Amino acid sequence: DAKTTQPTSMDCAEGRAANLPCNHSTISGNEYVYWYRQIHSQGPQYIIHGLKNNETNEMASLIITEDRKSSTLILPHATLRDTAVYYCIVSLTGNQFYFGTGTSLTVIP
Amino acid sequence: DVKVTQSSRYLVKRTGEKVFLECVQDMDHENMFWYRQDPGLGLRLIYFSYDVKMKEKGDIPEGYSVSREKKERFSLILESASTNQTSMYLCASKAHGTFSGKEEKLFFGSGTQLSVL
Repeated sequence: DAKTTQPTSMDCAEGRAANLPCNHSTISGNEYVYWYRQIHSQGPQYIIHGLKNNETNEMASLIITEDRKSSTLILPHATLRDTAVYYCIVSLTGNQFYFGTGTSLTVIP
Repeated sequence: DVKVTQSSRYLVKRTGEKVFLECVQDMDHENMFWYRQDPGLGLRLIYFSYDVKMKEKGDIPEGYSVSREKKERFSLILESASTNQTSMYLCASKAHGTFSGKEEKLFFGSGTQLSVL
């Protein structure tokens, strides 16, 4: 499975959009991009996933570049409750999800 | 909602003890996973199981074993606990993947913080 690279930490003002980048330059054609987040002292929670097209759900939007080598998770109006560690993962088989250290997002009042 | 339940939130054991961490899921999922999480290292896969009595090693299986006698239950066993196994342990489950829709989601329990003294 392809590896991912994410910034260690980011800050975002409350009410503004949070844009979390992820590089996955070795992704193969049929690997999906997944995003999870982990709020302190809880298990990770699924946010969104996609293959080629941009995706949107009630939590976030996922923008995948045309060459699929990078993606951006967008939280359109960040709240204090969005403070968490965000993990970007790529997976082919779906049976081995390799989590890195993620991006620690702090939403500032 | 899918529920993944881990039997203990906090656990304190002595070096050399045999430790059982239990995980139960209620969604008839085929796949179950055990991860450990340590500061600065992220989540690392210990073992996973894709069916009853089936298991596969993850990245760091040494010092651990697993048991899957029933579909809904996946146990992690530390045969002889050591201090370097002090960690947060996370269980997860997932239905068979079909590369479309929600089947690919991993659902996590709340974790067990294990301290080995």
